Amino acid sequence: QVQLQESGPGLVKPSETLSLTCSVSGGSIIEGGHYWTWIRQHPGKGLEWIGYIYHSGSTSYTPSLRSRVTISVDTSKNQFSLMLTSVTAADAAVYYCARVKHLTSRVFDIWGQGTVVTVSS
Amino acid sequence: IVMTQSPDSLAVSLGERATINCKSGQSLLSNSNKKNYLAWYQQKPGQPPKLLIYWASTRESGVPDRFTGSGSGTDFTLTISSLQAEDVAVYYCQQYYSTVSITFGQGTRLEIK
Repeated sequence: QVQLQESGPGLVKPSETLSLTCSVSGGSIIEGGHYWTWIRQHPGKGLEWIGYIYHSGSTSYTPSLRSRVTISVDTSKNQFSLMLTSVTAADAAVYYCARVKHLTSRVFDIWGQGTVVTVSS
Repeated sequence: IVMTQSPDSLAVSLGERATINCKSGQSLLSNSNKKNYLAWYQQKPGQPPKLLIYWASTRESGVPDRFTGSGSGTDFTLTISSLQAEDVAVYYCQQYYSTVSITFGQGTRLEIK
């Protein structure tokens, strides 16, 4: 059974770079034709899709964050990562990694538990 | 694509029907495969969202059959036929029609009356 686990600093200073990693267990990140995604949820708010990546390195990002976001994959470690540059208080949120069920049905069928990121000096 | 859910919150008695609506800013129906690119999620406090429905009406494996998705084009509905205590949650719709971005509704909070 595939499981996902986010990790990374819970506190980031304004203007610095947020870096998170999602570790995939119970299955290979390169099998099944799945994409892998990051989604965030601001406190008490709804869900915001950030972007996704395939094991080949092919990516897609939401337009509003495209200039600041990089998602990368490390197939040897069965992990994928999120980098968000120049963070502000508006980037404080719970960050989730998830599996995309299939590229044609871009829904998210397996999620990590989420990691809280605070932006403060 | 803007997704708008209604109502924002809803209180239903146990055993009664709960209905949540989702309206998209443009049609989510594909001309090529005749499928609606709409999903529903359930999020309980302190937990990540759980996929319930995709293709507007296809139930994810393991989801109880009291959850039903319906609708087409721009108007969609999630119906819980007989509300159980464990169904208290926030429900989100999501469109995946756009090739540019994936977007969610603002959420509907479902409580017990």
